[in-house]
Amino acid sequence: KNEVEQSPQNLTAQEGEFITINCSYSVGISALHWLQQHPGGGIVSLFMLSSGKKKHGRLIATINIQEKHSSLHITASHPRDSAVYICAVPSGGSNYKLTFGKGTLLTVNP
Amino acid sequence: DVKVTQSSRYLVKRTGEKVFLECVQDMDHENMFWYRQDPGLGLRLIYFSYDVKMKEKGDIPEGYSVSREKKERFSLILESASTNQTSMYLCASSWGSSGLDQPQHFGDGTRLSIL
Repeated sequence: KNEVEQSPQNLTAQEGEFITINCSYSVGISALHWLQQHPGGGIVSLFMLSSGKKKHGRLIATINIQEKHSSLHITASHPRDSAVYICAVPSGGSNYKLTFGKGTLLTVNP
Repeated sequence: DVKVTQSSRYLVKRTGEKVFLECVQDMDHENMFWYRQDPGLGLRLIYFSYDVKMKEKGDIPEGYSVSREKKERFSLILESASTNQTSMYLCASSWGSSGLDQPQHFGDGTRLSIL
């Protein structure tokens, strides 16, 4: 089964700072997912990537398949970016199961 | 826009009750999933379904069952609720013949308390 480690667990930043959240996994994968969960519960899929880099607004996700590592970057952070960010990878042995990281709680202060 | 709707945001039930959590998606997705989320443990898969009437166990199926009689609806059933099933329950759906190569769309979650 794939193991997923996220770092840091908690991150506090000032508005405008550049944010990096890291995700490492143990078994080679076809694609990695980044998710965002705001207080109250709802989860939104931010990115799904299998190589290189993807960008959406101020969010950038990168993946290094050889090193089994992905990063999520937020440029010019804003208080509305405060949320839990979760990475997820295929568990292995199934076409349907994902293994989720425990999440990184980001707080951006004004 | 994609919509996954869970029937309740908050639910309080008593030990031993049979509890139904309902999830409806409007995207004609083949795949539907039930997860529970607990502090420090992250999201864990309870059951999933890749087609009508098809279901498979996830990582923590004990004490739960599911039903998918129609493509858009996936129900989670707690046969006899226990206090250790107090948790946040999240439903998700995705398109495609694999659950891994398309993003999953989540509902807002149901916070279930078993007293």
